[in-house]
Amino acid sequence: DARVTQTPRHKVTEMGQEVTMRCQPILGHNTVFWYRQTMMQGLELLAYFRNRAPLDDSGMPKDRFSAEMPDATLATLKIQPSEPRDSAVYFCASGPPADTQYFGPGTRLTVL
Amino acid sequence: EDQVTQSPEALRLQEGESSSLNCSYTVSGLRGLFWYRQDPGKGPEFLFTLYSAGEEKEKERLKATLTKKESFLHITAPKPEDSATYLCAVQANNQGGKLIFGQGTELSVKP
Repeated sequence: DARVTQTPRHKVTEMGQEVTMRCQPILGHNTVFWYRQTMMQGLELLAYFRNRAPLDDSGMPKDRFSAEMPDATLATLKIQPSEPRDSAVYFCASGPPADTQYFGPGTRLTVL
Repeated sequence: EDQVTQSPEALRLQEGESSSLNCSYTVSGLRGLFWYRQDPGKGPEFLFTLYSAGEEKEKERLKATLTKKESFLHITAPKPEDSATYLCAVQANNQGGKLIFGQGTELSVKP
C-alpha cells in the first residue's frame, strides 16, 4: 500500500530555531506539494514541484521558508528562523501531474 | 479569484439520518473538483474526483454530484464511523495541479 511519509510527525521548537520537515512521495509520482493547515486559514498551498523542479512557491514567506527536492524520493521544507505564527500542521502530498493528490500524515509544528 | 465555500461548517446527524454537504465554487476553468475526508490528527484521504457537470460518483454511503457552480456530497444512512471533516477542493486548468480548498464541513454522526 503506497503512501506518502513525513518526518517528524511532531516538532516542538523555540522561536528562532531552524526547522526541517521531510517528505517521501509515493514512488512514481512526479509532482509534490507542500500545504499548511491552521484553524483560521484551513489548507493553504505553500509550494510545489514537478520532476524535482520548483513550479510555484508563491504561497511561502520567502524570507524564512525554503523548499527543495534533493532527489525524487525526498522533499524538504525548511523554516529559518521559526516564529510562533508558523505553528501549524504541514502536509506533503504527491501525485501524477494535474491529477489526484495523496496526502501524508502531516508534521505538527509548535513554535514556542 | 478562484474560491471554494463549503456549508454548513458543522453538521450533526443521528445514525441513519441522510443529509447533504454543499461545496460552492468559482474557478476560471474547472479541471476537476475533489472531495477528501480528514480524520483528527491525520492527512486528508482522497474520496472522489468529478470533472464535468452532471457527473456522479459513489462509494459506500457517499455520493458526490457536480453542477457548474456547486458540488454536493450526499450521505445516505450515515454511521458513526462516517464522522470526520469533509473537504472540497477545485483544480483549475493551466494551474499545474494546484488545489484550492474550502474550509471543510465537520460531520458528527451519533449512534
